[in-house]
Amino acid sequence: SQQGEEDPQALSIQEGENATMNCSYKTSINNLQWYRQNSGRGLVHLILIRSNEREKHSGRLRVTLDTSKKSSSLLITASRAADTASYFCATDPLGTSYGKLTFGQGTILTVHP
Amino acid sequence: GAGVSQSPSNKVTEKGKDVELRCDPISGHTALYWYRQSLGQGLEFLIYFQGNSAPDKSGLPSDRFSAERTGGSVSTLTIQRTQQEDSAVYLCASSLGGQGNTIYFGEGSWLTVV
Repeated sequence: SQQGEEDPQALSIQEGENATMNCSYKTSINNLQWYRQNSGRGLVHLILIRSNEREKHSGRLRVTLDTSKKSSSLLITASRAADTASYFCATDPLGTSYGKLTFGQGTILTVHP
Repeated sequence: GAGVSQSPSNKVTEKGKDVELRCDPISGHTALYWYRQSLGQGLEFLIYFQGNSAPDKSGLPSDRFSAERTGGSVSTLTIQRTQQEDSAVYLCASSLGGQGNTIYFGEGSWLTVV
């Protein structure tokens, strides 16, 4: 079953705007990872945030994690047309083999030039 | 360095035939995973190999699915007597193993069963 749920399911913005995607999950986790998938391609790892971290940055990406609310958000600042893709959060639940990730259904982001 | 390599990229097979999908993980990565992505089910964990330990097969959907990893490196996912519902993208991933290490995915093998 899919533990993570992304919100919104689809997001359409103009180039230069910021994009925020949210992820909620149900069980306690070791860490949470965000991935990007371009149409017809594999998954590209974006960022990993551990359960004891609250915020992490990587270039134009900012990820937050609130374990009390079991939620995470991915912010892409100053978006570009090349950011158009599907974005997935994946949780590593406590008590399971590492790498047995549970993925959400994803957010489809469209950035218009 | 090279990423996770999968072959074939695309495979069309007839219902009832067996298929083999290959994964070559990143050199030095001890952990290897297979996932499946389909329209109806999203991304699902299938199987996990870590070093010489017994694999975690808890995600395999039926006994028609099996996987092996030879020499701690290359892995083959085999689907016997394929069914139309097996049509999906099969994604392989690898990592250094252990908590907190990034899991890197390949481009996937697109399987279509006709």
